[in-house]
Amino acid sequence: DAMVIQNPRYQVTQFGKPVTLSCSQTLNHNVMYWYQQKSSQAPKLLFHYYDKDFNNEADTPDNFQSRRPNTSFCFLDIRSPGLGDAAMYLCATNQRGEETQYFGPGTRLLVL
Amino acid sequence: AQSVSQHNHHVILSEAASLELGCNYSYGGTVNLFWYVQYPGQHLQLLLKYFSGDPLVKGIKGFEAEFIKSKFSFNLRKPSVQWSDTAEYFCAVNALSASKIIFGSGTRLSIRP
Repeated sequence: DAMVIQNPRYQVTQFGKPVTLSCSQTLNHNVMYWYQQKSSQAPKLLFHYYDKDFNNEADTPDNFQSRRPNTSFCFLDIRSPGLGDAAMYLCATNQRGEETQYFGPGTRLLVL
Repeated sequence: AQSVSQHNHHVILSEAASLELGCNYSYGGTVNLFWYVQYPGQHLQLLLKYFSGDPLVKGIKGFEAEFIKSKFSFNLRKPSVQWSDTAEYFCAVNALSASKIIFGSGTRLSIRP
């Protein structure tokens, strides 16, 4: 089945230790998104790629970076995780013009 | 700036009760509207959407929502809920001038068997 895959599902890291979360899709969509979702809150958009064009949200901390080496893969890099970065990170995709987004299962990040 | 309000944070119902979850948005232009559902331990999935046409849209699992433009609302309804409807429900809005959607804070629905 075509889908959005996120690895790992759970990630534990230490305070200040860089971590990378990955997302892949078999939908061949041209837009990929990264959201941060904290408990009982709405998913918060961090940034998105339209093809290779990177679009950062104004309030996304510099600590968060992203890479999209090809259509299928997108990575979220957290350079120096703080305790406040513990959250569920969601990847989503859509095809520009078809605004329904398809979500992956998320990666839950724990920062010790 | 766009915003989405879901006033009910937690709703508890008995099986077979009727459901209505409120959603209001603030944006003056043309919008696309969505309801997403997140079952326990699962990923967000689309329940239904409104892009244009009939303001009453039907989704999966017996859910429907009505877009009332004058009230900036897109309330979710189901005439008779089941225990399996226990989940978190998110309303979301996409302004046609933007390439992103804004989510509401979600409503947790708990169904008593």
